[in-house]
Amino acid sequence: DGGITQSPKYLFRKEGQNVTLSCEQNLNHDAMYWYRQDPGQGLRLIYYSQIVNDFQKGDIAEGYSVSREKKESFPLTVTSAQKNPTAFYLCASSSQHSNQPQHFGDGTRLSIL
Amino acid sequence: QKEVEQNSGPLSVPEGAIASLNCTYSDRGSQSFFWYRQYSGKSPELIMFIYSNGDKEDGRFTAQLNKASQYVSLLIRDSQPSDSATYLCAVKERGTSYGKLTFGQGTILTVHP
Repeated sequence: DGGITQSPKYLFRKEGQNVTLSCEQNLNHDAMYWYRQDPGQGLRLIYYSQIVNDFQKGDIAEGYSVSREKKESFPLTVTSAQKNPTAFYLCASSSQHSNQPQHFGDGTRLSIL
Repeated sequence: QKEVEQNSGPLSVPEGAIASLNCTYSDRGSQSFFWYRQYSGKSPELIMFIYSNGDKEDGRFTAQLNKASQYVSLLIRDSQPSDSATYLCAVKERGTSYGKLTFGQGTILTVHP
């Protein structure tokens, strides 16, 4: 089945530690996105990528980094510079056609130890 | 800062009633509009999209778009308890690349038996 796979489902971060969230899609989508969702809030865009080896900052990129070495994969690293990382992280993808919707993975819930 | 605002909730309706969810957006040139449903602890799933002024129906769901007034709404007829969720409005703004969307903060809908 085509879809977006995020792993792990739950992740715990220690003080000063970097952690990486995985996102893989087999939908052949060009664009991929990372969002952060805090309780009772909407989605805030962290980073997005339209093509391999290229990505742009979203609204809240500070303390995060990404890479896009393969079309299928868009991992997100939450660095130690992100002082309040506890949130629900969602990865999404969409095709290159401008009116196409985004499709989401199941999310990763990150907490501080 | 371009904004997408949803009617404040939570919204509570009895089973069988019509639930009306509203969304306004600030960018007059916005092109595409999406409604996502998000169950508690889960990722958003697309339920409707609309590009042109007027109504679009899909089963019990009707999306209504009025570009002159800059609002989009979602009507859910014959509401069921299984419709209880957070509904997210998302807008593709003019000049944004690929499927980059701006999300509202969501409206919590509760359908009580």
